Formats: sequence, structure tokens, C-alpha cells
Amino acid sequence: ETGVTQSPTHLIKTRGQQVTLRCSSQSGHNTVSWYQQALGQGPQFIFQYYREEENGRGNFPPRFSGLQFPNYSSELNVNALELDDSALYLCASSSPGGGKGEQFFGPGTRLTVL
Amino acid sequence: GEDVEQSLFLSVREGDSSVINCTYTDSSSTYLYWYKQEPGAGLQLLTYIFSNMDMKQDQRLTVLLNKKDKHLSLRIADTQTGDSAIYFCAGAKGGYQKVTFGTGTKLQVIP
Repeated sequence: ETGVTQSPTHLIKTRGQQVTLRCSSQSGHNTVSWYQQALGQGPQFIFQYYREEENGRGNFPPRFSGLQFPNYSSELNVNALELDDSALYLCASSSPGGGKGEQFFGPGTRLTVL
Repeated sequence: GEDVEQSLFLSVREGDSSVINCTYTDSSSTYLYWYKQEPGAGLQLLTYIFSNMDMKQDQRLTVLLNKKDKHLSLRIADTQTGDSAIYFCAGAKGGYQKVTFGTGTKLQVIP
């Protein structure tokens, strides 16, 4: 069973640029959620994708967007990067209806915006 | 939305018990979780409890839920140096699985 993988592991961008982060879900999982974890904070829910459709969104502006592909992998896109976007971005996969609602997290992508 | 609060730091001696506390505002959470995050790593689910339970024990871990006070705790028995990490409590409702996390408690285990 392959776990959740994310790429790249680290990324440095400058303010105003655009970035794409990638996530491969765990085998058999059709739901992917994205979280932003600022330094010293808990993860904050960005949005969730289920069967290629957005299925819930947190309090993030529209410049945060995503995609889910037929193989259930996912991308997080952030446009017009701001300094405050510097954070660890975590992807989690799950299977809706599975007993305890468990989400399996990837190791994250560390984004630094200069 | 839900707020989940935790104390920031806890220091214990190896072999002692650790108790990490959490309070939450939204009583409609269906699942309540404890996650562990080691430096440079993602989140690992340690244990969970359904909102209709009061207690759950899983090897060295004991979760207590007081729904009246909206208080959740995680007890780690015989704490080891490998338990040093940040611990997050979190809640999720039915429907889509948005998980709301607390601010995290850093556990330091002193040898």
C-alpha cells in the first residue's frame, strides 16, 4: 500500500509569483484535502476534492485553487503569492464513509515566499 | 466555525504519564482525534473517539471526552523520549471531512 506523497518537498518563490503543489493520494482513496500550516500553528483547512469536484472550502481567497484528476491525485495552485503564504502545505487523503473518518497525511511541501 | 484550544507546552520526565488537554467550541463534532507531528514530518493519527463515547484506551494512550465541558484529553502512560513531538487535537463533523485542528501542544520528554 503506497502512502500519500507530495512534491516538491521544498520550494522558494517570490512575491507575486504562482506555484503548483502536487499530491498523490493513498491507494483506494478518492478524497483529497489540503491544509496550510503556518509556523507554530495547527493546520488550517483550505479545501477538499471528492471525485474531481470541490467538496468544501475553508476561509481562503480565490487565488487558492485546486484540481483533482481521474486517478485522484491533486494539485494546489496559489496565484499572486504573498509573504504570508509561506507555510507547510499538507495534503491528506481519505475514503468517505470509512468508519472513523481518518485522513492520511503526506509529509508536506514547505513553501517560502520572499 | 469551531475553535479548538490547547496549552502550548508540556514537559515530563521519561517514565511518567503525560496529559495533554484540549477544549473545543463546537459540540456537533462527530469525531475527535489526536494527531502527532514530529519535526519535519506530516501528521500521524494516534487515536480517535466518537462523540458518543466518554473514554477510549489504546495501549499506552487513553482519551477522555467530557462533552458537557467540551473538553478532550490524551493521556500517554510511561512516556518515552520518542513521544517528544507536537500533539494536535482535532474535530470533524459528518458530511465532508473538514478537520479543524487545535494550535498544538509541544511535548518535551526529559530523559
